Amino acid sequence: ETGVTQTPRHLVMGMTNKKSLKCEQHLGHNAMYWYKQSAKKPLELMFVYNFKEQTENNSVPSRFSPECPNSSHLFLHLHTLQPEDSALYLCASSQDQGSLRDEQYFGPGTRLTVT
Amino acid sequence: QKEVEQNSGPLSVPEGAIASLNCTYSDRVSQSFFWYRQYSGKSPELIMSIYSNGDKEDGRFTAQLNKASQYVSLLIRDSQPSDSATYLCAVVGGYQKVTFGTGTKLQVIP
Repeated sequence: ETGVTQTPRHLVMGMTNKKSLKCEQHLGHNAMYWYKQSAKKPLELMFVYNFKEQTENNSVPSRFSPECPNSSHLFLHLHTLQPEDSALYLCASSQDQGSLRDEQYFGPGTRLTVT
Repeated sequence: QKEVEQNSGPLSVPEGAIASLNCTYSDRVSQSFFWYRQYSGKSPELIMSIYSNGDKEDGRFTAQLNKASQYVSLLIRDSQPSDSATYLCAVVGGYQKVTFGTGTKLQVIP
């Protein structure tokens, strides 16, 4: 256990559904991240929040909407997704995005399948 | 040119041998370098971090950094079958942006 939890672990949704992914960290970190991992592609950084403020949006389509109510919780709201959005979605946290020693700790991920 | 480049492998080594994993990066101002291990179906797990030129050892793992050559490597001594996984190199470059490589798959043959 890394101190980062994600729910649900598996999600199957249709293209017209709306769902949310949840991430919670118990490490006292100030930065939280959403990544997408597809087969045979590098980890793609989607969003970064540092001290609850969004600091990075890596040209992610608007059908993905992040929310960070506090430094311990991060959500990813999903709506009208496409089949190519099927992937493993990983949440991570680190002490502070601005720190050079920005060691990230990952949650177990949510395996998303869009039908 | 990819920002962080790794050979995808698979790299096959016999049990007990030294596994050598390599990573090159393009951003010359990069300051922080990390190695993550990812077992199949699991999330990445941080195993090593290195910030200055030279070697850093932790148990059977040694990270090596050469900023002049823009090269970072991970050596695994006395490789075990349980080391079989994909190893991801991550680099923090300018503007504190973290970039991951595609990973090298390591297979340790008993």
